[in-house]
Amino acid sequence: GAVVSQHPSWVICKSGTSVKIECRSLDFQATTMFWYRQFPKQSLMLMATSNEGSKATYEQGVEKDKFLINHASLTLSTLTVTSAHPEDSSFYICSATTGGVYGYTFGSGTRLTVV
Amino acid sequence: QKEVEQNSGPLSVPEGAIASLNCTYSDRGSQSFFWYRQYSGKSPELIMFIYSNGDKEDGRFTAQLNKASQYVSLLIRDSQPSDSATYLCAVYVDTGRRALTFGSGTRLQVQP
Repeated sequence: GAVVSQHPSWVICKSGTSVKIECRSLDFQATTMFWYRQFPKQSLMLMATSNEGSKATYEQGVEKDKFLINHASLTLSTLTVTSAHPEDSSFYICSATTGGVYGYTFGSGTRLTVV
Repeated sequence: QKEVEQNSGPLSVPEGAIASLNCTYSDRGSQSFFWYRQYSGKSPELIMFIYSNGDKEDGRFTAQLNKASQYVSLLIRDSQPSDSATYLCAVYVDTGRRALTFGSGTRLQVQP
């Protein structure tokens, strides 16, 4: 089956530093990848949609200069949280699809803690 | 009005009982409907999806879709303590964005 690998699974960083999260589709080519954020006891909120080779589409209220998304290949998308602050502490999850309406696979998630 | 609504719960059922989880959605153009299970601290895992009116069964799970009433439900038969988790309903609408829209989830507790 389709597998999406996400790294790191958890990271602690100091306020003001940047953190990069990787999302890889291991056995399929993902034409589109999605980045979600989930705060405790809340649902997944879509942050942005990235298509290979083009700029990401950000949801309203998500700062594109703070959350840099790069989808350089059909198997890799990265999310970089720049100048992280404690309020950015959250669970970040990527999802990938081959384009079919049924084919959504989630990565294992990254727990980010900014201290 | 939220696009996808779920009762947050917790829904508590005894082991062996049927758990019934409900979800309503606002966009009549919604095409496909997904149920995900999420354990605490983990990412969601797909249980099943449905796109046609009626019932769809997979093992102990049955998804029910009623597009006229705009609701989708998930029945879990013979509930087990390991089924205790948050269940997320997600909806796909072909707007070109291709992202799923999630409800806030229902927390299920199966009591041994």
